[in-house]
Amino acid sequence: EAQVTQNPRYLITVTGKKLTVTCSQNMNHEYMSWYRQDPGLGLRQIYYSMNVEVTDKGDVPEGYKVSRKEKRNFPLILESPSPNQTSLYFCASSLSTGPTYEQYFGPGTRLTVT
Amino acid sequence: QKEVEQDPGPLSVPEGAIVSLNCTYSNSAFQYFMWYRQYSRKGPELLMYTYSSGNKEDGRFTAQVDKSSKYISLFIRDSQPSDSATYLCAMNKAGNMLTFGGGTRLMVKP
Repeated sequence: EAQVTQNPRYLITVTGKKLTVTCSQNMNHEYMSWYRQDPGLGLRQIYYSMNVEVTDKGDVPEGYKVSRKEKRNFPLILESPSPNQTSLYFCASSLSTGPTYEQYFGPGTRLTVT
Repeated sequence: QKEVEQDPGPLSVPEGAIVSLNCTYSNSAFQYFMWYRQYSRKGPELLMYTYSSGNKEDGRFTAQVDKSSKYISLFIRDSQPSDSATYLCAMNKAGNMLTFGGGTRLMVKP
């Protein structure tokens, strides 16, 4: 089944404890992206990657890191999480770059930072 | 001011009603307009996308874009309880970077 998977789905952590949220897609997509979703703000893009070893900042990159060493994986790293990073996170992928390519979203990771 | 505004709802309608969901935007550089549906505890899924002003129909769904007014709409005919979800409008200028509205929660009551 073609899909985007994220792990973990739920995570509660404490301020300052480094964490990684994994994202993997099995559709051989070039483009991958991370979003956060907060009430009333919709989804906001954190980072994106157009291909292996090519990443760039989205609208809200502060406090996050990403890497794209393999085409299928795009982990999101919070090196020192803070409470304002409590949010619902989505990974997405699309076949290629360009607005006509549909983005497929993962199921989401709910992160709570205390 | 947000670039894309969307009434958060919730919008509650009886089964069979026509639903109208709307977004306004401020950036005239937006060229592509999309509607995503998001069920509870799921990721968004693309419903429809349009490029130019005008209407696009897909089954019970019609997307409408009015670039002169910077206003887009999604109409759902013969609404069903299975349509209950949050509907997000999204738009972009070029590339893949999407700008989303805040989402409207829709409840269709049997």
